[in-house]
Amino acid sequence: GAVVSQHPSWVICKSGTSVKIECRSLDFQATTMFWYRQFPKQSLMLMATSNEGSKATYEQGVEKDKFLINHASLTLSTLTVTSAHPEDSSFYICSARDRGSGTTDTQYFGPGTRLTVL
Amino acid sequence: GIQVEQSPPDLILQEGANSTLRCNFSDSVNNLQWFHQNPWGQLINLFYIPSGTKQNGRLSATTVATERYSLLYISSSQTTDSGVYFCAVDGNQGGKLIFGQGTELSVKP
Repeated sequence: GAVVSQHPSWVICKSGTSVKIECRSLDFQATTMFWYRQFPKQSLMLMATSNEGSKATYEQGVEKDKFLINHASLTLSTLTVTSAHPEDSSFYICSARDRGSGTTDTQYFGPGTRLTVL
Repeated sequence: GIQVEQSPPDLILQEGANSTLRCNFSDSVNNLQWFHQNPWGQLINLFYIPSGTKQNGRLSATTVATERYSLLYISSSQTTDSGVYFCAVDGNQGGKLIFGQGTELSVKP
């Protein structure tokens, strides 16, 4: 099946620093990727839609200047948390939509990145 | 926007028991997926099932689109089935998945 990777799997940083998270589709091309955030014991909340070659679209309430998204190729999207603060600590998960031959709009999820901001 | 409700929120089973998890959604959808989130946070695709019935081993799922619900059946449960099960739908929003709150399943040996 389709595989999505994320890097790093976990990161600890000091308040005020920026952190970049990579999301890659390993065996398929993804014109669209999605970024989600999950707090402990809660569900996944969609943050933004990442479109290859164009600007990301953000969900209501998500600060686009704080969560910078770049989708530079058909297999890579990056999320940069700028000037991170403790309240940004969360589990960040990406997904990619495989629209390859014969498949439906199934989304495949990366393993997630656990961010802790001290 | 579309609302997704899952029930029950928690479920404790003895190994070998069967269970049914439910997902209700408030509007028509063109994508519905069931996932299992393991203890490390990885979401595992179980089914892509906007309508109809599918089976994969001990798991099966049925979606009745006209009545806006989906069911996930787990038979002969095993301890490795423990974790959180999520239903997620795309209500014709360009692929955006809206997740339910999940059902946390614990299977005891």
